[in-house]
Amino acid sequence: ETGVTQSPTHLIKTRGQQVTLRCSSQSGHNTVSWYQQALGQGPQFIFQYYREEENGRGNFPPRFSGLQFPNYSSELNVNALELDDSALYLCASSPRTGFYEQYFGPGTRLTVT
Amino acid sequence: DQQVKQNSPSLSVQEGRISILNCDYTNSMFDYFLWYKKYPAEGPTFLISISSIKDKNEDGRFTVFLNKSAKHLSLHIVPSQPGDSAVYFCAASGTGNQFYFGTGTSLTVIP
Repeated sequence: ETGVTQSPTHLIKTRGQQVTLRCSSQSGHNTVSWYQQALGQGPQFIFQYYREEENGRGNFPPRFSGLQFPNYSSELNVNALELDDSALYLCASSPRTGFYEQYFGPGTRLTVT
Repeated sequence: DQQVKQNSPSLSVQEGRISILNCDYTNSMFDYFLWYKKYPAEGPTFLISISSIKDKNEDGRFTVFLNKSAKHLSLHIVPSQPGDSAVYFCAASGTGNQFYFGTGTSLTVIP
């Protein structure tokens, strides 16, 4: 059974650019959640997708958007990057909606310069 | 607005002794609480959870206690082992499909 994978592992972007991060959910999982973890902080909930629909959103501006595909993989898109967007982005998949049984990927480290 | 707080950034414990990690929350609507463990360069791993209808849940060496009146939960690890050294996050969810993590406590178990 393949766990949650994320790509890329690291990337560096310039302020104002756009970025797309990708997440492959664990087999059989239909729910994906995205989190932002700044240095020294706990992960902050960005949003959750359940069966291709957004199913809950944290306190993040609209320039943070997402998609979930029919195979339940997911993308996180961030437009107009700001320096404060530098963080570890974590994705978690689960077999049902909500926040039970979440399995996290290793994260994507985004640096905005 | 930090709705879940872990006021101790770090904790050191001797191997074999008890580790107690604490967490406070402010939102009385939270009904489900979880603890995650995180090693460097890995995502968080689920450890143990508790529903608000219970005040204790035990799984092997790990026990979570919930005090709803004090809005406080704690994780006890007995006995502590060097492999338990990691960052521990508490987290909470409630209505509105929101999820909140604390800031984490770095546990070091000294052999």
